[in-house]
Amino acid sequence: DTGVSQNPRHKITKRGQNVTFRCDPISEHNRLYWYRQTLGQGPEFLTYFQNEAQLEKSRLLSDRFSAERPKGSFSTLEIQRTEQGDSAMYLCASSPGAAGAFFGQGTRLTVV
Amino acid sequence: AQSVAQPEDQVNVAEGNPLTVKCTYSVSGNPYLFWYVQYPNRGLQFLLKYITGDNLVKGSYGFEAEFNKSQTSFHLKKPSALVSDSALYFCAVRDGYGGATNKLIFGTGTLLAVQP
Repeated sequence: DTGVSQNPRHKITKRGQNVTFRCDPISEHNRLYWYRQTLGQGPEFLTYFQNEAQLEKSRLLSDRFSAERPKGSFSTLEIQRTEQGDSAMYLCASSPGAAGAFFGQGTRLTVV
Repeated sequence: AQSVAQPEDQVNVAEGNPLTVKCTYSVSGNPYLFWYVQYPNRGLQFLLKYITGDNLVKGSYGFEAEFNKSQTSFHLKKPSALVSDSALYFCAVRDGYGGATNKLIFGTGTLLAVQP
């Protein structure tokens, strides 16, 4: 499968715990995005990488959130001290250029 | 700021009938517009995009969209709906220009329900 891959698909965690999600983009796509989608809403932008450089972060990305893309390949999104409001679908997308993006299946996070 | 609006939360159509899912946009400069579809508990699948050129854009699964600059609209259409088209549809606009982030700004989505 040469699409965008995200792991895990589902994560249930207790409030206060840390979680980490992984995204493997389409090979050679230099642009990688993280979005968050809550029920009944469209995806909202969280952060953007061009190769290994994190070039933009949304104000939605609080200090408890951190993202990395070492060596410009896969990316990780970590949430520390999770809160119930963090429950959402976290979507990763990659793009070779300026016109559109290809999304992964998402990681659904439930904080209990 | 760039934005898109999807005025209908839900569209109901009978199988075999034509369908339209509406989207209007607000941008500064030339718009880059997209449609995505999302099935339950799945990620977004790309359907089609408008960047420049012909106002009628053809995409995946028999869908097409018409770009109308005077009405600032980009409605998604299909001549004959299938039950399997039932899903959540998102319109999106690209934020920024070349060299910028080019992140997508999404609408709130329209649930398409196709009745057999």
